[in-house]
Amino acid sequence: DSGVTQTPKHLITATGQRVTLRCSPRSGDLSVYWYQQSLDQGLQFLIQYYNGEERAKGNILERFSAQQFPDLHSELNLSSLELGDSALYFCASSPKTGMNTEAFFGQGTRLTVV
Amino acid sequence: GIQVEQSPPDLILQEGANSTLRCNFSDSVNNLQWFHQNPWGQLINLFYIPSGTKQNGRLSATTVATERYSLLYISSSQTTDSGVYFCAVASYGGATNKLIFGTGTLLAVQP
Repeated sequence: DSGVTQTPKHLITATGQRVTLRCSPRSGDLSVYWYQQSLDQGLQFLIQYYNGEERAKGNILERFSAQQFPDLHSELNLSSLELGDSALYFCASSPKTGMNTEAFFGQGTRLTVV
Repeated sequence: GIQVEQSPPDLILQEGANSTLRCNFSDSVNNLQWFHQNPWGQLINLFYIPSGTKQNGRLSATTVATERYSLLYISSSQTTDSGVYFCAVASYGGATNKLIFGTGTLLAVQP
């Protein structure tokens, strides 16, 4: 158990819908990262928050947004869902950002868009 | 951006065999991690190894940062070692620890 908790584990929804994925980082970790794993794109970085503020952005679609709350949990919002958004979404956390910091991953949320 | 290449892409082993997985990266890195993704999709941390050598049971890893590669050794493989092994790096000097993943090595250990 990595200590990173993601909910839900599985999600099936229809095209055009909106979903929210939730992540609770390891106790004391200030950084939260979101990654997407799809068959054609592999594991890709989406976005990072550090202590409530956006720190880095990857290839995240405009239909996707995230935030980190004062209690440090994070949510990834996916809207106007398309079939191609079906993927495994991972959250990771680390104590800090930058050098010399190991990231730990949650179990992932498997999103299926039908 | 930094490129991460893993080899071999696929590997089939008989139980008890040893193997070496390689990760090459195109630029200096802050961090390097090895992960095992099991058949249920979980990403399990194996090593945090931006440089040097570490061992954990039957697994060990070595990163030669100056030559931009890392190796993961699996000895006496077991069927539970099956899955995908990922190498991931964070670019040197960046203000973020965002990880760039390789495409992985798919390992199948047969009984």
